[in-house]
Amino acid sequence: EVQLVESGGGLVQPGGSLRLSCAASGFTFSSYWMHWVRQAPGKGLVWVSRINSDGSSTSYADSVKGRFTISRDNAKNTLYLQMNSLRAEDTAVYYCARKGWELQQDYYYYYMDVWGKGTTVTVSS
Amino acid sequence: EIVLTQSPGTLSLSPGERATLSCRASQSVSSSYLAWYQQKPGQAPRLLIYGASSRATGIPDRFSGSGSGTDFTLTISRLEPEDFAVYYCQQYGSSPPYSFGQGTKLEIK
Repeated sequence: EVQLVESGGGLVQPGGSLRLSCAASGFTFSSYWMHWVRQAPGKGLVWVSRINSDGSSTSYADSVKGRFTISRDNAKNTLYLQMNSLRAEDTAVYYCARKGWELQQDYYYYYMDVWGKGTTVTVSS
Repeated sequence: EIVLTQSPGTLSLSPGERATLSCRASQSVSSSYLAWYQQKPGQAPRLLIYGASSRATGIPDRFSGSGSGTDFTLTISRLEPEDFAVYYCQQYGSSPPYSFGQGTKLEIK
């Protein structure tokens, strides 16, 4: 079964740090780009970061740039999100998601086809 | 950055009725990169539609997507009780950020 399982969330004080993990199983993890997406309480989905398959290229939302670092260990089939200088507005459920793709008639289709159940991060004093 | 605006914010319908959800982009989006997701309370999002009109694996054919350029639509032909949820559109362009719409809540009337 294709599966993503997040862990590492919790309560942290403003200015603190946390590292999230996302364990992948049931597919060849090293072949896929991966994302982190977050959802503040009662709000919508917000893309946070992505990493390519070998970890050589990363991108971030402006709201987390310089504070969060995405990385992966393909030998351990695990995706990470190191979160530093946390703020109250970082409070959210954090999901990892797999980039899916399909080639149809010379066109590439991209989407997020596998999601974890999420891990909750609360930033509060 | 491409901004996606979904309407309506909330849609109140009864089982058996047809639902039409809209997603409008601030600039043109390739149809290849437009997806729709369903999210139920306490659950992760689930991919419904990709490439604006292709159903993901296991998605019933009562779900359909259409549109191009800046206007996209998700249609649910006959609502089942399990379809009441929040729906998000997303553009997955060639470069980030990969923005989501703010969501449409489909509730039972």
